[in-house]
Amino acid sequence: DAGVTQSPTHLIKTRGQQVTLRCSPKSGHDTVSWYQQALGQGPQFIFQYYEEEERQRGNFPDRFSGHQFPNYSSELNVNALLLGDSALYLCASTPEAGVANTEAFFGQGTRLTVV
Amino acid sequence: AQSVAQPEDQVNVAEGNPLTVKCTYSVSGNPYLFWYVQYPNRGLQFLLKYITGDNLVKGSYGFEAEFNKSQTSFHLKKPSALVSDSALYFCAVRDIRSSNTGKLIFGQGTTLQVKP
Repeated sequence: DAGVTQSPTHLIKTRGQQVTLRCSPKSGHDTVSWYQQALGQGPQFIFQYYEEEERQRGNFPDRFSGHQFPNYSSELNVNALLLGDSALYLCASTPEAGVANTEAFFGQGTRLTVV
Repeated sequence: AQSVAQPEDQVNVAEGNPLTVKCTYSVSGNPYLFWYVQYPNRGLQFLLKYITGDNLVKGSYGFEAEFNKSQTSFHLKKPSALVSDSALYFCAVRDIRSSNTGKLIFGQGTTLQVKP
């Protein structure tokens, strides 16, 4: 079982650019959530996707958008990058059945640096 | 609003000694609580969870946690620390109040340093 996989592992972008991060959930999981972890902070919820739709969104601007594909994989897009967007971006997957009491599985993250 | 607090930025313990990493929470309704560990430049690894039942929960790598409803705490413990336990630990509560999506709310994290 490959678990949750994310790509790329590291990325350097310039302010104002756009970036796309990718995530493949753990086998059997159909719900994908994205988190932003700034340096020295706990992860902050960005949004969650289920059945190819955004189901819940955290306190992040519209510059952050996402997508889920029929195979449950997901993308996180960030437009007009700011220096403050530099962070570790984590993808987590859960099965929809029992989503409340089932632990989320996390990928290794994508380290985004905006210069 | 639902929240999690980890009052200690860092916990230092000698190898072989017991360790405790503290966590308190604030939720409306029954809490679903989790502990995760993060090694440098890695994602989060699940350690254990409390959903319902026994207040003492056992998890991976010899860790356990005690749920205390009256004190709204969920402290992580291990009887005998290992140097390899040195890492960043996060407590999280699941926000089941809002649409049952399973959104996790994390504490700020506690760095555990185990010295030989």
